[in-house]
Amino acid sequence: DQQVKQNSPSLSVQEGRISILNCDYTNSMFDYFLWYKKYPAEGPTFLISISSIKDKNEDGRFTVFLNKSAKHLSLHIVPSQPGDSAVYFCAASGSSGAGSYQLTFGKGTKLSVIP
Amino acid sequence: DTAVSQTPKYLVTQMGNDKSIKCEQNLGHDTMYWYKQDSKKFLKIMFSYNNKELIINETVPNRFSPKSPDKAHLNLHINSLELGDSAVYFCASSLPGGVAHEQFFGPGTRLTVL
Repeated sequence: DQQVKQNSPSLSVQEGRISILNCDYTNSMFDYFLWYKKYPAEGPTFLISISSIKDKNEDGRFTVFLNKSAKHLSLHIVPSQPGDSAVYFCAASGSSGAGSYQLTFGKGTKLSVIP
Repeated sequence: DTAVSQTPKYLVTQMGNDKSIKCEQNLGHDTMYWYKQDSKKFLKIMFSYNNKELIINETVPNRFSPKSPDKAHLNLHINSLELGDSAVYFCASSLPGGVAHEQFFGPGTRLTVL
């Protein structure tokens, strides 16, 4: 049972346009949601996060929106750049006790930004 | 000045062998993790260690054993390797209650069992 779902395995966008990556979750107990970016042969790197008590967080070209009632979040990248081409993972966080947080990841969406 | 490092990057071995993957972080973090990314690309938590104490063990076979000699290291030992163990293994670390629960990942170790 996938608690975090990214239903689009891939997305192609023209340079300069907006990229919208979507993520759905099922567990209401998640308290933070994170987006990670991954290049081939590298580990995931943190991009942006949002607390479950907020509905929007912005950092430069990246904005994450959270719709708790729909259990849906999205990552907007604008304007998209060729260097943004990577796999984007949505992750949800819940406490496992003693300061440790378990991240549950989606399957990832491969973004290709076409020059 | 690598934050989270793993060795080796690639590991090819025969079924039945025992192998280890090493992980080190120089971030001063208190908690370290091991994740497995299987052929379906899912990243799944295997273990986490906080101050040398196992916090999570997500239905991982007992052939896998994490060992933490100190706060900066969390090694993964795998006994009697099976074909299904082939995957990419990622180490990660975090501060307790760190910024937005962010975890910092190593570059991964691609394990191939023949």
